Amino acid sequence: NAGVTQTPKFQVLKTGQSMTLQCAQDMNHEYMSWYRQDPGMGLRLIHYSVGAGITDQGEVPNGYNVSRSTTEDFPLRLLSAAPSQTSVYFCASKNSGDSGNTIYFGEGSWLTVV
Amino acid sequence: LAKTTQPISMDSYEGQEVNITCSHNNIATNDYITWYQQFPSQGPRFIIQGYKTKVTNEVASLFIPADRKSSTLSLPRVSLSDTAVYYCLGTEGNMLTFGGGTRLMVKP
Repeated sequence: NAGVTQTPKFQVLKTGQSMTLQCAQDMNHEYMSWYRQDPGMGLRLIHYSVGAGITDQGEVPNGYNVSRSTTEDFPLRLLSAAPSQTSVYFCASKNSGDSGNTIYFGEGSWLTVV
Repeated sequence: LAKTTQPISMDSYEGQEVNITCSHNNIATNDYITWYQQFPSQGPRFIIQGYKTKVTNEVASLFIPADRKSSTLSLPRVSLSDTAVYYCLGTEGNMLTFGGGTRLMVKP
């Protein structure tokens, strides 16, 4: 089972460049989300989606855009990268039909902005 | 936003029982209480979840008092491999937040 797949795993960007972090899940989960984790810190929610065509802001949405055109994919776009966006990014998904909160995470994408 | 509060760090020794408590401000009546474990360079993974009283699985136990304002994750007889960061999940509607977590260091 692939689960939640993120690409790329590592990326170096120059300040001002844009890029998209890809996330795909094959579990037919309606709920998907993006988190960032700075060194030694906890995870902070960037954006989330409860289904195709629906996205919402999380705790730290500034500088990031998302879209949800299909159930499977939830890309995260950095519009103009800044050094403060150097972080590890985790994509996650959850079965909305699940009454609890069992979240499945991707392996992470390490982003460095220089 | 439903915010959770837990200790920043804890130390233990191999073979001891470890209890990590989380306070759940403004938890909704229908929300489950969920704990995650994270190793370095990995995404968090689900440990245990409960709604009330006590839940036990092969990894841990979860104690939830009647008022559900807090929860305690109990790890029996920890080993070095239990060194990790432990998070109690905060929920407000569809927003699922992790906070800073508790960094558990197990010593030999």
